[in-house]
Amino acid sequence: AQSVSQHNHHVILSEAASLELGCNYSYGGTVNLFWYVQYPGQHLQLLLKYFSGDPLVKGIKGFEAEFIKSKFSFNLRKPSVQWSDTAEYFCAVNSGGYQKVTFGIGTKLQVIP
Amino acid sequence: GAGVSQSPSNKVTEKGKDVELRCDPISGHTALYWYRQSLGQGLEFLIYFQGNSAPDKSGLPSDRFSAERTGGSVSTLTIQRTQQEDSAVYLCASSLALDGETQYFGPGTRLLVL
Repeated sequence: AQSVSQHNHHVILSEAASLELGCNYSYGGTVNLFWYVQYPGQHLQLLLKYFSGDPLVKGIKGFEAEFIKSKFSFNLRKPSVQWSDTAEYFCAVNSGGYQKVTFGIGTKLQVIP
Repeated sequence: GAGVSQSPSNKVTEKGKDVELRCDPISGHTALYWYRQSLGQGLEFLIYFQGNSAPDKSGLPSDRFSAERTGGSVSTLTIQRTQQEDSAVYLCASSLALDGETQYFGPGTRLLVL
C-alpha cells in the first residue's frame, strides 16, 4: 500500500526566508507525485506534479520540488517566501496505473510579514 | 468554465439522522473522488469512481457510508445514522480519466453532527 509522510506539520517563517517542506512516500514501483496547496478560504489546487523525466519540477508561484528516487522523497522548496504563501500544503502520491491518490497530513505554513 | 461544485456547503444534523452530500464534477471528467478532511487528519480517501463504477471502496469508514454516481456525472455520498465522529469537511474532486491526472477540488461540504 502507498503512504505519504510530511515531516513538518506547522512551519512559521519570516518573509524572504527559504522554504523546504519534506515529503516521503512508501511505494516501490512507478509513482506520480504531487503537491497541492490550500490557501485560506480557497479550494485545494495543484501546485506542481512529477510524472517522469526531469526530477526537478517547477510549479506556480516560484515553487519547485525535487524527486529523489533513492530517498523516496519529493521535497517542496521556494528560495524566498512571501506573506501570500501562507497556506496548507499537501504532498500526494499515486502509483502508476492506479487512480487512488494518497495524501499526506498536510503542512500549515505561516509567513510573517 | 465551471469548476467542481458541492452542495450543501454546510450541513448541521443530529446524531442518528441520514445525510446526503452532492458533487457535480467538471464536465467531461470521468474520474470522481470523495475525501474527508478532519482536523489534524489530513485528507482521507473515501472512494473514487471511473465513470459510474467504483473499483475501490476500501476507504469507506463503515457500512453507514455509501456513494453512487449516475450518468457518469453527479455523485452523492450518503451517510446513514450519522455519528459525531462523522463531523468533517467532505471534499469532492474530479479528473480526466488518465492515470494520475490532476484532480480539481470542489469547495467541500462542512458536516457537523450534534
